[in-house]
Amino acid sequence: GAVVSQHPSRVICKSGTSVKIECRSLDFQATTMFWYRQFPKKSLMLMATSNEGSKATYEQGVEKDKFLINHASLTLSTLTVTSAHPEDSSFYICSARILGSGVYNEQFFGPGTRLTVL
Amino acid sequence: AQKVTQAQTEISVVEKEDVTLDCVYETRDTTYYLFWYKQPPSGELVFLIRRNSFDEQNEISGRYSWNFQKSTSSFNFTITASQVVDSAVYFCALSEAGTGRRALTFGSGTRLQVQP
Repeated sequence: GAVVSQHPSRVICKSGTSVKIECRSLDFQATTMFWYRQFPKKSLMLMATSNEGSKATYEQGVEKDKFLINHASLTLSTLTVTSAHPEDSSFYICSARILGSGVYNEQFFGPGTRLTVL
Repeated sequence: AQKVTQAQTEISVVEKEDVTLDCVYETRDTTYYLFWYKQPPSGELVFLIRRNSFDEQNEISGRYSWNFQKSTSSFNFTITASQVVDSAVYFCALSEAGTGRRALTFGSGTRLQVQP
């Protein structure tokens, strides 16, 4: 089956530093990847839609300069949390949509990255 | 706009009891997909089922069954003879095919605790 990996799985950083999270589709190509954020005991909220070769589309209320998204290839999207602060501590999950899945919209989730900002 | 409502925040049952998790959705699209995911404490989402809007057949997979009713915009999930390993947060989600919004919209989740 289709596999999506995320790296790192867990990261602890100091306030003010930047953190990069990678999302890779291991055995399929993905034109579109989605980044979700989940606070403790809350639901998953879409942050942005990442399309290969173009700028990401951010949901309302998500700062694009704070959460930089790059989708450089059909198998890799990265989310960089810039100048992280404790309120950015969260669980970040990506999903990758299979190239050519059309309206069938087949997509798979990564295992998530738990970010803790001290 | 699309919306998914899981009114049950937390459910606690004793092992071997049957439990139904409710999901009600809203969409203006005629073509859409509904999902259920399980999220254990590890955080990783475990895919359980995907159903498209044109397929109202109920589905059974082992102890799991799903009841899709377009008339009431509901997609309920039943676990028969629950086990401790079923303890997790369960999310219902929706994606629309016609509007071009490919991301999933999640409900708020239902935390299921199965007591031994």
